[in-house]
Amino acid sequence: NAGVTQTPKFQVLKTGQSMTLQCAQDMNHEYMSWYRQDPGMGLRLIHYSVGAGITDQGEVPNGYNVSRSTTEDFPLRLLSAAPSQTSVYFCASSYSEDSGEQYFGPGTRLTVT
Amino acid sequence: RKEVEQDPGPFNVPEGATVAFNCTYSNSASQSFFWYRQDCRKEPKLLMSVYSSGNEDGRFTAQLNRASQYISLLIRDSKLSDSATYLCVVKRQVTGTALIFGKGTTLSVSS
Repeated sequence: NAGVTQTPKFQVLKTGQSMTLQCAQDMNHEYMSWYRQDPGMGLRLIHYSVGAGITDQGEVPNGYNVSRSTTEDFPLRLLSAAPSQTSVYFCASSYSEDSGEQYFGPGTRLTVT
Repeated sequence: RKEVEQDPGPFNVPEGATVAFNCTYSNSASQSFFWYRQDCRKEPKLLMSVYSSGNEDGRFTAQLNRASQYISLLIRDSKLSDSATYLCVVKRQVTGTALIFGKGTTLSVSS
């Protein structure tokens, strides 16, 4: 099993550009989530999904969209990139929303100039 | 007040030392508790769950005090490979909520 995979690993965007961060898992997990990690801020939840076709907002959803058309994939879209979105983005999955063990992808390091 | 608070450190200890990390949480509805480990520039990984009765996993001991809303992690006989950031994590007893992460405590073990 590959676990949770994320692409790209690194990305530089200009202000106003849009892009999609890809996330996929091959563990048949129902629950998937996106976090951002900033120095001194810890991990903050952006969006999450409890199953295909169901998504909801986390703590810091503004500027991001998600969709969950399949169990395996949970892409994160940046609509119009801003320097404040410079961060490390982690996708995670778990068997269910009640599970405390989340499996994280390796992260995407995004810089917005 | 942040929902999960940790001393950021860094904790600098020699090999073989015993070190303890503390964490407090503010929401009494928190249901489950965990310690995650994050190596530099890597993704977080579950280290251990924390049970009310306390639990051990080798050199690691986790304890929970619900009355004081306090969680601890004790590492005995520290190894160089223990150098990492340790994240205190809580989960509320509310459907649809995810894990709440502390900012982490950084440990550096030196020879």
